[in-house]
Amino acid sequence: QVQLQESGPGLVKPSETLSLTCTVSGYAISSDYFWDWIRQPPGKGLEWVGSIHHSGSTYYNPSLKSRVTVSVDTSRNQFSLNLDSVTAADTAVYYCARRRQQWLGSWVYYFDDWGQGALLTVSA
Amino acid sequence: SSELTQDPGVSVALGQTVRITCQGDSLRTYSASWYQQKPGQAPVLVIYGKNNRPSGIPDRFSGSASGNTASLTITRAQAEDEADYYCNSRDSSGNHLVFGGGTKLTVL
Repeated sequence: QVQLQESGPGLVKPSETLSLTCTVSGYAISSDYFWDWIRQPPGKGLEWVGSIHHSGSTYYNPSLKSRVTVSVDTSRNQFSLNLDSVTAADTAVYYCARRRQQWLGSWVYYFDDWGQGALLTVSA
Repeated sequence: SSELTQDPGVSVALGQTVRITCQGDSLRTYSASWYQQKPGQAPVLVIYGKNNRPSGIPDRFSGSASGNTASLTITRAQAEDEADYYCNSRDSSGNHLVFGGGTKLTVL
């Protein structure tokens, strides 16, 4: 069974860079699928942040694209999120997740495994 | 604002049936997936595609789609079904992913 676990500093100062790592166990991330980051500000809904395909291709939310980088370390079976120039609006629970895409008469994309989430607070 | 629109809140009497909808132009081309999220927990996939359930999800959860609308139906609603439900699919450009704003389901 695939397990994902986020890790990060918990608190970041405004204008600094937020860095989070997702450690995957039970599956080699270089083998297949997309590996995504999703965030949820306190009391609000889910927002897709970005992803990396097992081939190395990356995809980002257009509203965050200028500030976000997703990378992978296959030797450690980890993928990471960097978000530059953070503000209080970036305070959220950040989830990492495995995403599949499948043709079922039309394309469907779904997150079948999630980490437990990591709260990142932006504050001086 | 999200390109996938959900009603903010829906209620259902215990044991009855409720439908949660998700509207968006991209749903004419791409299928939706549905997630259940309880307070303090990570989302859980309950339906993907028109009507596919992951293992372990009760068969009282089902999905459907027509035109620009995807629906999640819960029959014989239980108290433990009270949660936030989110739909997810591509955006209208087809290049990025987007979530609906979420629907809070209250079981009365």
